[in-house]
Amino acid sequence: KQEVTQIPAALSVPEGENLVLNCSFTDSAIYNLQWFRQDPGKGLTSLLLIQSSQREQTSGRLNASLDKSSGRSTLYIAASQPGDSATYLCADTGANSKLTFGKGITLSVRP
Amino acid sequence: DVKVTQSSRYLVKRTGEKVFLECVQDMDHENMFWYRQDPGLGLRLIYFSYDVKMKEKGDIPEGYSVSREKKERFSLILESASTNQTSMYLCASGTLGRDEQFFGPGTRLTVL
Repeated sequence: KQEVTQIPAALSVPEGENLVLNCSFTDSAIYNLQWFRQDPGKGLTSLLLIQSSQREQTSGRLNASLDKSSGRSTLYIAASQPGDSATYLCADTGANSKLTFGKGITLSVRP
Repeated sequence: DVKVTQSSRYLVKRTGEKVFLECVQDMDHENMFWYRQDPGLGLRLIYFSYDVKMKEKGDIPEGYSVSREKKERFSLILESASTNQTSMYLCASGTLGRDEQFFGPGTRLTVL
């Protein structure tokens, strides 16, 4: 059964810093990989989807990459801002479109 | 933009009540999902559906049932609510093949 790990559980950085959020998988047979953002008490917002034939996706200051051989994905945030403070979750799409989620990394960007 | 709506943001019910949580999506997606999210446990899949009148159990279906009579609407039913079903409930939808899921705003359910 696929297990998704996100370490550390929380991260605090000063504004302007470039940062990398990590996500690892026990089963390297990853199909698609999706990164989400969740603000407190709210639903999940889809940030980036890396499909099975792709290795990375970019949207604005965000870049996500996927290395299937090592079972790892990273989300790179450039020039972080206080508005980036949220919980970031990664999820693997397994059989039948079912997502397996990590528990998330809570990011705090200090002004 | 894809829009997934849920009938309530907050809901308070009593133990033993039958509870209906409604989810509607406006993008003609085939797939719809119900999750619950709890501190320390993350998101867990309760039920999902690939098409009208089709349903599949997820990882934690006990105590829940679902209904999908129309493509755009997926309902989660708590037959007899219990305190351990106090949680945040999240609905999602997505297309076959692309597998990207889009989430609603969530329903915070409290069972007293």
